[in-house]
Amino acid sequence: GAVVSQHPSWVICKSGTSVKIECRSLDFQATTMFWYRQFPKQSLMLMATSNEGSKATYEQGVEKDKFLINHASLTLSTLTVTSAHPEDSSFYICSARYGTETGELFFGEGSRLTVL
Amino acid sequence: GQNIDQPTEMTATEGAIVQINCTYQTSGFNGLFWYQQHAGEAPTFLSYNVLDGLEEKGRFSSFLSRSKGYSYLLLKELQMKDSASYLCAVMDSNYQLIWGAGTKLIIKP
Repeated sequence: GAVVSQHPSWVICKSGTSVKIECRSLDFQATTMFWYRQFPKQSLMLMATSNEGSKATYEQGVEKDKFLINHASLTLSTLTVTSAHPEDSSFYICSARYGTETGELFFGEGSRLTVL
Repeated sequence: GQNIDQPTEMTATEGAIVQINCTYQTSGFNGLFWYQQHAGEAPTFLSYNVLDGLEEKGRFSSFLSRSKGYSYLLLKELQMKDSASYLCAVMDSNYQLIWGAGTKLIIKP
């Protein structure tokens, strides 16, 4: 199946710093990618939909200025957590849709962020 | 509003069969997905149903009834590695995925 790669898998940073997470579709072009966060023992929470060449669409309650999303090419989307704080510690997962709007979602490996 | 309901946790015995139910209420329907997620890992795709009926794929089968807003995931010949969370997700009329909270499946020897 299609492959989505996410990097880094683990990151530990100090409070106040910014962290960038990359999501790449390795063997297909993804016009749309999705960013989720997941707290322990909870389900996925959609943060934003990243569209190639245009601004991301954020879900209600997600701060646009804090979670910067850039979808510079058909194979790469990045999520930058700016001025991270301990409450931003979470599991961040990206996904890309393969093919049509009803196509299968492939997930990256996830990035576990710990803010000290 | 839109919501997906599935049991929080289930326990089953190795070698047995388990059925995980999912009921949904969404604005429109463009298919239902089941994903498996092991602890600390990203979800992996299991199945997609858009028409009524049963889809079988090896030890796993998924059933859909659109009129009842109901689906189930059936796991046969359970193995210890099947211990994971199983996520039900429905694609609504805007092609947005609505996620259930997941069912944690515990397999006992």
